[in-house]
Amino acid sequence: KAGVTQTPRYLIKTRGQQVTLSCSPISGHRSVSWYQQTPGQGLQFLFEYFSETQRNKGNFPGRFSGRQFSNSRSEMNVSTLELGDSALYLCASSFFKPLGAEAFFGQGTRLTVV
Amino acid sequence: QQQVKQSPQSLIVQKGGISIINCAYENTAFDYFPWYQQFPGKGPALLIAIRPDVSEKKEGRFTISFNKSAKQFSLHIMDSQPGDSATYFCAASMSEAGGGADGLTFGKGTHLIIQP
Repeated sequence: KAGVTQTPRYLIKTRGQQVTLSCSPISGHRSVSWYQQTPGQGLQFLFEYFSETQRNKGNFPGRFSGRQFSNSRSEMNVSTLELGDSALYLCASSFFKPLGAEAFFGQGTRLTVV
Repeated sequence: QQQVKQSPQSLIVQKGGISIINCAYENTAFDYFPWYQQFPGKGPALLIAIRPDVSEKKEGRFTISFNKSAKQFSLHIMDSQPGDSATYFCAASMSEAGGGADGLTFGKGTHLIIQP
């Protein structure tokens, strides 16, 4: 059974640009969550989607957005990139909902903003 | 209210020894406590998880101890091996029934080194 797939693995963008990251969850999983990982702040929850609806959102500015498609694949978008957005962005999928259920992470997308 | 505090920040253990990592939480609404293991360049991998209705859960060499009254839980790695060298994260979440769920709240991580 394939795991969570995130693309691309690495990305370098210039400040002010926008970026789109992709996540394909484990087959059959309907919930996708996104996290930002940095050395200073650790792992922080961005948002969660279930059945194409955003159910929960963390404390991040509106420049961070996402969506989920009918096949459960998800994308997250960051507009007007700032240097501080450099981080490892992780996607996690779970069967029904991430809260109280097993969440499986992908390898992440390493975003560098220059 | 949503914090999970993890200690120690780093830990060095001799091969064959017991590694112990501790976490404390504040929000009594948390009802799911997983531990994740992360190797460099990889995403976190679910190791073991516990719910507040039990005080201990064991899977192989990994054991979670849970103290609901103290709002603390810990990970014990028995017979630690060099391959266990990684960063370990505790986390907590709450069931969605009450609303206001914010995904998994993670501790800051423990960098574990097992010396051969």
